[in-house]
Amino acid sequence: EAQVTQNPRYLITVTGKKLTVTCSQNMNHEYMSWYRQDPGLGLRQIYYSMNVEVTDKGDVPEGYKVSRKEKRNFPLILESPSPNQTSLYFCASSIRQGATNEKLFFGSGTQLSVL
Amino acid sequence: SQKIEQNSEALNIQEGKTATLTCNYTNYSPAYLQWYRQDPGRGPVFLLLIRENEKEKRKERLKVTFDTTLKQSLFHITASQPADSATYLCALQRGYQKVTFGTGTKLQVIP
Repeated sequence: EAQVTQNPRYLITVTGKKLTVTCSQNMNHEYMSWYRQDPGLGLRQIYYSMNVEVTDKGDVPEGYKVSRKEKRNFPLILESPSPNQTSLYFCASSIRQGATNEKLFFGSGTQLSVL
Repeated sequence: SQKIEQNSEALNIQEGKTATLTCNYTNYSPAYLQWYRQDPGRGPVFLLLIRENEKEKRKERLKVTFDTTLKQSLFHITASQPADSATYLCALQRGYQKVTFGTGTKLQVIP
């Protein structure tokens, strides 16, 4: 089954404790992206990747890191989480077709709480 | 700066009627526009995509229009059903760059 898999689904942590949220897709997609979703603010892009070893900042990259060493994986790293990073996070992927990315496939989300 | 507005945070409609959701944008020239459905606690699911050179797109009970002069897209659900209740997001993109989402409209279809 074609899917984007995120782990964990729920995560509670404390300020300053490094964490990684994993994301994997089995569709051989070139494009992958991370979003956070907050009430009233909608989905905001954190980082995106056009292909292996190619990443770029989105709208709200501060406090986050990403890497794209393999095509299928795109982990999100919070080196020193803070309470304002409490949010619902989504990973998404898309095939690269011509001049457009076509539709995005989203994971089920990771609800992160930073105490 | 780019701005995307969806007509209202919430929209209530009677079952069987046509729901119309609006997406307006400013300071942007998207190559195409997408609509997604999101259920509570779940990731958005793609519904329809329309390109800048297309006026209208249909899929079953769904219809999307794209007016680049008005900088507006309309999303219609005909013969709405309670199962259509969800939050609907519009998203814009140009080229390979980042996709920008609106904040969404929560649709409630009342039996």
